[in-house]
Amino acid sequence: DTAVSQTPKYLVTQMGNDKSIKCEQNLGHDTMYWYKQDSKKFLKIMFSYNNKELIINETVPNRFSPKSPDKAHLNLHINSLELGDSAVYFCATQAGTSGRELFFGEGSRLTVL
Amino acid sequence: DAKTTQPPSMDCAEGRAANLPCNHSTISGNEYVYWYRQIHSQGPQYIIHGLKNNETNEMASLIITEDRKSSTLILPHATLRDTAVYYCIVRKEGAQKLVFGQGTRLTINP
Repeated sequence: DTAVSQTPKYLVTQMGNDKSIKCEQNLGHDTMYWYKQDSKKFLKIMFSYNNKELIINETVPNRFSPKSPDKAHLNLHINSLELGDSAVYFCATQAGTSGRELFFGEGSRLTVL
Repeated sequence: DAKTTQPPSMDCAEGRAANLPCNHSTISGNEYVYWYRQIHSQGPQYIIHGLKNNETNEMASLIITEDRKSSTLILPHATLRDTAVYYCIVRKEGAQKLVFGQGTRLTINP
């Protein structure tokens, strides 16, 4: 069983569309994150949730809306996709709220045409 | 969180020890040094972390200088599968965020 799984792994879509990326973890961790890795390979934190509550929002455009239906899931919904949204999005989890290692998923590569 | 400086790239021969340096001269007393790596097309993977003392686990060793202004990650017997980008990150105790820099691209050569 994959500890942190993301779907889909690859997503190609047109500008202006709305899409979602899902993340599920079976580690029982309290905190989940979304990171974005752009074409220059720079990994940047986007959001953090703890027990379904938003903790960190790193000035991400409000076209991006994370949703945590339960502790094991953190989904990322993106409205009105733009070319600059093309990136690899990584979900990560952490036991507790801080100071521990993060476990990352394998990433979801989004390509906006 | 304190900033870190790493060389952009390094090479190492297979079977030799790979020593990856990291400078964190502005580190404060409650900040830990973390190392992660990202193998091509995969998610980042935790390697090791430490505060003051040297640390060792099954993957690597972490040597932190006495003044804590720099550290070295050691992969004792590098294999081709260790080719990856290695990130040195300084993180406050209690901090929610893990902030990645540019890292060091380590290439293990046969």
